[in-house]
Amino acid sequence: AQTVTQSQPEMSVQEAETVTLSCTYDTSESDYYLFWYKQPPSRQMILVIRQEAYKQQNATENRFSVNFQKAAKSFSLKISDSQLGDAAMYFCAALNFGNEKLTFGTGTRLTIIP
Amino acid sequence: DTEVTQTPKHLVMGMTNKKSLKCEQHMGHRAMYWYKQKAKKPPELMFVYSYEKLSINESVPSRFSPECPNSSLLNLHLHALQPEDSALYLCASSQRQRGGMGLAGARDTQYFGPGTRLTVL
Repeated sequence: AQTVTQSQPEMSVQEAETVTLSCTYDTSESDYYLFWYKQPPSRQMILVIRQEAYKQQNATENRFSVNFQKAAKSFSLKISDSQLGDAAMYFCAALNFGNEKLTFGTGTRLTIIP
Repeated sequence: DTEVTQTPKHLVMGMTNKKSLKCEQHMGHRAMYWYKQKAKKPPELMFVYSYEKLSINESVPSRFSPECPNSSLLNLHLHALQPEDSALYLCASSQRQRGGMGLAGARDTQYFGPGTRLTVL
């Protein structure tokens, strides 16, 4: 079984500052993917960033980057230069290769303070 | 283009009504998913279709009936729902490749539609 844990139900950050959202996971598989999805009040689940477990290099997408610590089973998301449009619920998720079931964490609600 | 569309955006129905939710994607994805999401909770998987065949049913009550008419379309037929079925229903799709390891990453990334907000009275 696969589990994903997000220990921060809510976070806030000043606009233009940097914030890090935490995620830990547990899986017995060696090949898997990790994702961060963002769900703003508009409801649509938007893919923010994806990490393949076999890659040591941390994924980055513009202002979004991850700190992937495979041995520690940790997958944190760093948002740099936070913008008002970053306000949303952020879900960490994991998928074992060849599986069809995406396992989500409970989410972190991020508030951006102007 | 990573667009998944869902109609309608909002739906209000009585417990005796029959209605359908529709999901469409034109990315050539061969796996499609239905999720149910309650407020402030993560999405819960309901059904998975892979190559137009039902591959996962997460013990969903029979009042929810999925249908995959072709590789681009996914429907969810609703009948005799209960008020507790009120939720956001999300559709997603992903590429799949039959067998083998294939390329990592993009083939299994799920892309979500905007959802249908369902209220059962």
